[in-house]
Amino acid sequence: AQKITQTQPGMFVQEKEAVTLDCTYDTSDQSYGLFWYKQPSSGEMIFLIYQGSYDEQNATEGRYSLNFQKARKSANLVISASQLGDSAMYFCAMSLVGSSASKIIFGSGTRLSIRP
Amino acid sequence: EAGVVQSPRYKIIEKKQPVAFWCNPISGHNTLYWYLQNLGQGPELLIRYENEEAVDDSQLPKDRFSAERLKGVDSTLKIQPAELGDSAVYLCASSLDGQGAYEQYFGPGTRLTVT
Repeated sequence: AQKITQTQPGMFVQEKEAVTLDCTYDTSDQSYGLFWYKQPSSGEMIFLIYQGSYDEQNATEGRYSLNFQKARKSANLVISASQLGDSAMYFCAMSLVGSSASKIIFGSGTRLSIRP
Repeated sequence: EAGVVQSPRYKIIEKKQPVAFWCNPISGHNTLYWYLQNLGQGPELLIRYENEEAVDDSQLPKDRFSAERLKGVDSTLKIQPAELGDSAVYLCASSLDGQGAYEQYFGPGTRLTVT
């Protein structure tokens, strides 16, 4: 069975510092995708970054990077030079790739608060 | 390019009443998802459509929930009758396909309050 675990319910970080949000996953499949989404107080889920299980390099998108450690089954999100607008809920998610019956599951989220 | 559109944004109903939510996905996206999100939790998949076919509805409480996507474009999610525990945000999302390699784009959600 697939499972996503986010162990940090909340985090406080000083503006301009880097922050790492933890995510571990569990699946017996070899082909899967890992996603991070941001959900500000407005409620809309915003896609941030994607990592495929066969991608050898860690994904990067601007200030976001995904620290993918396949053997440890972790997919941590790193935000560099945090900004006040980064304050939001962050969700890690996983899907199986190439399966019409793929399940998409989300973790319980981490609430990130950036201090000025 | 327009994003995923949902309506209404907010709905307050009394228990035992019916309610319906509407979603229009991004043009060209074949896969449409309905999620339920309780306060402080991640979204939980209710149903996934590939074009007009419901390919995963295992988490949909079929005694009171129903959904349709008749022409493979927009979709409606219905609850009849609503219960107090149905109060949540209902999110619609779409993606190019459902094979898991493409990100999903979410609508703003419908916040349902059942009194």
